[in-house]
Amino acid sequence: RKEVEQDPGPFNVPEGATVAFNCTYSNSASQSFFWYRQDCRKEPKLLMSVYSSGNEDGRFTAQLNRASQYISLLIRDSKLSDSATYLCVVFDSNYQLIWGAGTKLIIKP
Amino acid sequence: EPEVTQTPSHQVTQMGQEVILRCVPISNHLYFYWYRQILGQKVEFLVSFYNNEISEKSEIFDDQFSVERPDGSNFTLKIRSTKLEDSAMYFCASSEFAGGPTGELFFGEGSRLTVL
Repeated sequence: RKEVEQDPGPFNVPEGATVAFNCTYSNSASQSFFWYRQDCRKEPKLLMSVYSSGNEDGRFTAQLNRASQYISLLIRDSKLSDSATYLCVVFDSNYQLIWGAGTKLIIKP
Repeated sequence: EPEVTQTPSHQVTQMGQEVILRCVPISNHLYFYWYRQILGQKVEFLVSFYNNEISEKSEIFDDQFSVERPDGSNFTLKIRSTKLEDSAMYFCASSEFAGGPTGELFFGEGSRLTVL
């Protein structure tokens, strides 16, 4: 079983719509969770950390479900510039960052 | 804003040649990393470095690879004898902490390696 699993997509979404995707992790002792964004042929950049109580940053909402071992990212009022690959990253109990393969999001006008 | 810089941005080399990729991490960061990403594939961890020694390395990081921090600012990745399958984008990253609660790694723009 993969340690961090994501639907590769692509998710094709019209501009202005709401889109959500999940990421599952296998190590129940994982400590911290993050969403990174990677534009095509660019470096990954931190989008947001995921807190136990859930957190929101503008149009982006991240949730953590420890019981079911998944994190989610919700994007409201999607914009063309949101088109990117979204990488789920888990900081596990072995002090390593485990990266998902990413979910590709394409926002269409 | 401080940033991680990498050179070269693109290197083309012949199979079997040695390659050195260079990185200048953010100055007050203590943890350094190399990742690679084969075109269209996931980001793969290679190695982490702290206190002048390797702290973790992946299965990919075999004897062909080495890292060094020769002068307190540069952080280099050497591939001794390149293979075709080493063709990838190599990202250097640094962090102030060990990827813990803040978890933010700052990535350079990458060095694209093409092995012919």
